[in-house]
Amino acid sequence: EPEVTQTPSHQVTQMGQEVILRCVPISNHLYFYWYRQILGQKVEFLVSFYNNEISEKSEIFDDQFSVERPDGSNFTLKIRSTKLEDSAMYFCASRGGGIAGELFFGEGSRLTVL
Amino acid sequence: AQSVTQPDIHITVSEGASLELRCNYSYGATPYLFWYVQSPGQGLQLLLKYFSGDTLVQGIKGFEAEFKRSQSSFNLRKPSVHWSDAAEYFCAVGSSSGGYQKVTFGIGTKLQVIP
Repeated sequence: EPEVTQTPSHQVTQMGQEVILRCVPISNHLYFYWYRQILGQKVEFLVSFYNNEISEKSEIFDDQFSVERPDGSNFTLKIRSTKLEDSAMYFCASRGGGIAGELFFGEGSRLTVL
Repeated sequence: AQSVTQPDIHITVSEGASLELRCNYSYGATPYLFWYVQSPGQGLQLLLKYFSGDTLVQGIKGFEAEFKRSQSSFNLRKPSVHWSDAAEYFCAVGSSSGGYQKVTFGIGTKLQVIP
């Protein structure tokens, strides 16, 4: 069964460092998303991406964050100058075409900022 | 803006007992509704979804949910809970804005199953 894969599964970084989280969405999917879940809190929408551009982003997704799809298969989330409060589980998701459809989530990348 | 309310943060049920997890949504049009389950340290797995049609939807692992437009609810049910159902359950609502569907999650309900 096709699945969304994320790497790394866990990353520990020092405050102020840059982090790149990688995702390989399901191959024929067209819409890509990043969500964040701070420990013990709800899953929050960060950004959606379609046709090589951001289609929507939340207020959390400020200039510290960026996304790109560099090679047609990977979908990355870059966090510049990480802060302690960026520590969270980051989930990548993708879905196929059409107006509606379920999101398929990856297992998540846990980011710990020290 | 769309939103989801899950009024029960934590529920404890006995194994074999029935289960109902509550979910209320707020959305201006016909919503797309989902229930996801998350086991500790794991990702989000889709249990079931509602897009249109029959308001009672069946999902995996014996779960079902009923969409009630008049109550803006999409409660999740299971007739007999198993110990392996212990997890966190998230209700979510999806919107379609120019085709770019965004899914908004509720805060989640943590289910504990006791023998």
